Amino acid sequence: KAGVTQTPRYLIKTRGQQVTLSCSPISGHRSVSWYQQTPGQGLQFLFEYFSETQRNKGNFPGRFSGRQFSNSRSEMNVSTLELGDSALYLCASSLIPGPNTEAFFGQGTRLTVV
Amino acid sequence: AQTVTQSQPEMSVQEAETVTLSCTYDTSESDYYLFWYKQPPSRQMILVIRQEAYKQQNATENRFSVNFQKAAKSFSLKISDSQLGDAAMYFCACSSGGGADGLTFGKGTHLIIQP
Repeated sequence: KAGVTQTPRYLIKTRGQQVTLSCSPISGHRSVSWYQQTPGQGLQFLFEYFSETQRNKGNFPGRFSGRQFSNSRSEMNVSTLELGDSALYLCASSLIPGPNTEAFFGQGTRLTVV
Repeated sequence: AQTVTQSQPEMSVQEAETVTLSCTYDTSESDYYLFWYKQPPSRQMILVIRQEAYKQQNATENRFSVNFQKAAKSFSLKISDSQLGDAAMYFCACSSGGGADGLTFGKGTHLIIQP
């Protein structure tokens, strides 16, 4: 069974540009969550999607958005990139939302903004 | 909202010995879950162990066990018979309120295994 797949693995963007990251969950998993990991702030919850609906969102500006497709694949978009958006973006999938089902993480996308 | 604190940025242990990683948390919810995740250099977060707050019995998974002290809001991870493959960043995390705010992670502890 394939794990959570995140593409691309590495990305370099220029300040002011926008970027789209992709996450393919484990087959059968319908919930996808996104996290940002930086040395300074650590791991922070971005948002969670279930059945193509955003279930909740962390404390991030509106430049951060996402969506989920009918096959449960998810994308997150960051517009007007800032240097501080440089981070490892992790995606996690689970069968359903909630802490009582195990979340499986991908290997992340390393975004560098220059 | 919840907070998670890991006070040990780095720990070192000899191979085959036992090490304990500390974690304290705070939440106003009565129903919550606690987790320890491992992040090796490959960057992929791997669930090590999970504890439901309503369970008094400490969770165990092979060489990994927790000491869950609910009143003290403490959730430490004990790794027995440490192996070289245990070297990684370890993150303590909490989820409450039905998971509405996702997982809240601590800053992590870098575990070094000395051969």
